[in-house]
Amino acid sequence: AQSVAQPEDQVNVAEGNPLTVKCTYSVSGNPYLFWYVQYPNRGLQFLLKYITGDNLVKGSYGFEAEFNKSQTSFHLKKPSALVSDSALYFCAVRPTNSGYALNFGKGTSLLVTP
Amino acid sequence: GAGVSQTPSNKVTEKGKYVELRCDPISGHTALYWYRQSLGQGPEFLIYFQGTGAADDSGLPNDRFFAVRPEGSVSTLKIQRTERGDSAVYLCASSPTGGPGNTIYFGEGSWLTVV
Repeated sequence: AQSVAQPEDQVNVAEGNPLTVKCTYSVSGNPYLFWYVQYPNRGLQFLLKYITGDNLVKGSYGFEAEFNKSQTSFHLKKPSALVSDSALYFCAVRPTNSGYALNFGKGTSLLVTP
Repeated sequence: GAGVSQTPSNKVTEKGKYVELRCDPISGHTALYWYRQSLGQGPEFLIYFQGTGAADDSGLPNDRFFAVRPEGSVSTLKIQRTERGDSAVYLCASSPTGGPGNTIYFGEGSWLTVV
């Protein structure tokens, strides 16, 4: 079975500090990994994805994520957090060898304080 | 518009009633997905269409749920005999093809409340 885990329900960061939102995955075969952001009462917005190649992936709004195969992780990072980054963040996995659906984690709420 | 469009944005219905939720995907996208998101949870996969056919409906919770995409564009999610537990946000998404590396783009969702 393919799944992702987001071990933190909430992450609190002061504005201007670096942020990390954690994600680990469990799949058979090579994974395709995604991060989405959800603002209150809105749909999911795509941030970035890892398909193959460079382990450091850069995405929208200054976010990046590092794929680590040995640790089966895909943590989302940003060097300097903004108050406007406060939202719900979802990690998702899509196995390359079977199925079509994205499997989402339960989400991590990010709160950036001024 | 350029994005995935869903109607209605909000729907309140009585227990036992029939509900239809509509999704208009991004123009040219052949793959269409329905997800359900309950409060405090991540989205859960319901069904995936490639063109007009349902390629994977393994996420539909029971036979009260059904979805169609007759012309390979607009899709309708149909829920019969609604129950209070069906209350959730129903998200529609599309991607250019069904390939696993494709980005999936989501609509704003249809908020369903069953009272």
